[in-house]
Amino acid sequence: ETGVTQSPTHLIKTRGQQVTLRCSSQSGHNTVSWYQQALGQGPQFIFQYYREEENGRGNFPPRFSGLQFPNYSSELNVNALELDDSALYLCASSFSRLNNMNTEAFFGQGTRLTVV
Amino acid sequence: AQSVSQHNHHVILSEAASLELGCNYSYGGTVNLFWYVQYPGQHLQLLLKYFSGDPLVKGIKGFEAEFIKSKFSFNLRKPSVQWSDTAEYFCAVNALRGSQGNLIFGKGTKLSVKP
Repeated sequence: ETGVTQSPTHLIKTRGQQVTLRCSSQSGHNTVSWYQQALGQGPQFIFQYYREEENGRGNFPPRFSGLQFPNYSSELNVNALELDDSALYLCASSFSRLNNMNTEAFFGQGTRLTVV
Repeated sequence: AQSVSQHNHHVILSEAASLELGCNYSYGGTVNLFWYVQYPGQHLQLLLKYFSGDPLVKGIKGFEAEFIKSKFSFNLRKPSVQWSDTAEYFCAVNALRGSQGNLIFGKGTKLSVKP
């Protein structure tokens, strides 16, 4: 176990709806990254939060947004869901410093989102 | 743009066979390199990592990988696989410049080990 927990584990939503996924980072970690893993693909970086601020974003539209809370837990919000948003959403936590963001990440089990 | 290529989509081996999974990346600067494994129904787990130093890295469960900078490669090896090694393996790169610390993953290689 990595100490990174995600909820819910599975979710079914209808196209056009909004969804919120949650992640509790490992104790002592201050950085959370979110990834989307489509079927048969490797995880793709969505964005990263460091000490409650967005600290980098991948090639995802603005309807993908996030938050990080003072306890370093995080949420991923997706608005106006599309069928192609169906995927496994992974959260990864790590401990970073401003001069060293490239540290080992620990992954949660993911949330399987199905959009119908 | 940075990218990671894993050459084999699906590898099928018998127990005790040797394993080598290829990984190449495209980035000219300094990188951190990782291999992650995803067992069926489980989370991504770190097998091994390379940050600096000895380019031959040993990880958990008998896996090792060799960083060859001139070839932009970080191939994963195991001398003798077991049925329990059946899983999906992902190579990942983290560039040390112009990056916020995110990982770029390959598409993964599914390994099936026949008992």
